[in-house]
Amino acid sequence: QKEVEQDPGPLSVPEGAIVSLNCTYSNSAFQYFMWYRQYSRKGPELLMYTYSSGNKEDGRFTAQVDKSSKYISLFIRDSQPSDSATYLCAMTEGNKLVFGAGTILRVKS
Amino acid sequence: EAGVTQSPTHLIKTRGQQATLRCSPISGHTSVYWYQQALGLGLQFLLWYDEGEERNRGNFPPRFSGRQFPNYSSELNVNALELEDSALYLCASSLALVAGYFGPGTRLTVT
Repeated sequence: QKEVEQDPGPLSVPEGAIVSLNCTYSNSAFQYFMWYRQYSRKGPELLMYTYSSGNKEDGRFTAQVDKSSKYISLFIRDSQPSDSATYLCAMTEGNKLVFGAGTILRVKS
Repeated sequence: EAGVTQSPTHLIKTRGQQATLRCSPISGHTSVYWYQQALGLGLQFLLWYDEGEERNRGNFPPRFSGRQFPNYSSELNVNALELEDSALYLCASSLALVAGYFGPGTRLTVT
């Protein structure tokens, strides 16, 4: 079993939809939880990170962490075609990032 | 402020050769991380350098090695290249423990 599980998709939604991306994990020692966005042939770009359980909002993006269920989510409101990318969840174990496999998101105009 | 830079963008080598990849971190960042992103395998942690020292390495054979220079830039060397080493190699830098800011990557193709 992988430490971090993430559905690879692809997830296809119409423009303006609310997108929900999720990861589950098995390691209780994970401390920080991140979401990265990666466009084709580019390096990952840090979107958000959080430490504690609860919600964190930044513009159209909301990151949610539930440590008791070992479950994290990223919500994208009013999705745009420019949001089409691969979204990677990542978690820290010491100074190492452990990544999910990434979910491919396609927002259709 | 300039981001993380990597060179070369693309690298084509034949099996058995050596590859050298370079990374310059964000100014002021002392930690450099290397990751391998192979098709279908996701991002795998390779190496972490901080203040010129190797601090941690992932589950990769010793033919993956590197170093960090006094200006905090870093080099990744892959010896005795194998076909399965073909991947995007990403460098990230950070100042604190948490997140890394990634460069655009070097795409290594081994034929």
